[in-house]
Amino acid sequence: AQSVTQPDIHITVSEGASLELRCNYSYGATPYLFWYVQSPGQGLQLLLKYFSGDTLVQGIKGFEAEFKRSQSSFNLRKPSVHWSDAAEYFCAVAPSGGYNKLIFGAGTRLAVHP
Amino acid sequence: NAGVMQNPRHLVRRRGQEARLRCSPMKGHSHVYWYRQLPEEGLKFMVYLQKENIIDESGMPKERFSAEFPKEGPSILRIQQVVRGDSAAYFCASSPPKGVSYEQYFGPGTRLTVT
Repeated sequence: AQSVTQPDIHITVSEGASLELRCNYSYGATPYLFWYVQSPGQGLQLLLKYFSGDTLVQGIKGFEAEFKRSQSSFNLRKPSVHWSDAAEYFCAVAPSGGYNKLIFGAGTRLAVHP
Repeated sequence: NAGVMQNPRHLVRRRGQEARLRCSPMKGHSHVYWYRQLPEEGLKFMVYLQKENIIDESGMPKERFSAEFPKEGPSILRIQQVVRGDSAAYFCASSPPKGVSYEQYFGPGTRLTVT
């Protein structure tokens, strides 16, 4: 069965520090991969996505993610975190080539210290 | 272009009542998905619909839950005889027709509280 693992439930970083949020997936083929961000009480906003091609993808708000097929990973990175980045981050996968449900990880809650 | 709209944003129901959650997809989008987020958890897929068709309902509980996406009007997620365990945030997402792009855009959610 397809699954998504986000090993870190909570992460705290200082403002200005770099950030990496981990995501591993289990799927037979290369899926479509997504990172979403959710602020408290809000819906989900798409940060970036990977369908194919260049394995390093750029997203909004200065985020990027790298797809590593050998590790079944799609880690999210940001070189310098801002206080406004405090939120919950969800990695998701979907079968490639069609419309179907997104399978989400449990999320990583990011806190940013001033 | 307005985003995905959901209403109500907050809904309180007593045990045994019915809850009706509405979702208007983005303009031009013909695919609708419903997800449920329990407290402190990620989102779990419930159902995927196209106009007048249920495509995948593998995540829907077998009883009390139903969904529709009529030819005209919003998609509706209906929960009959609600129980406390139904308290959650329910998110709707929409995506454009096949061949345009494959991204799901999420609404702000409906937070259901069952008392």
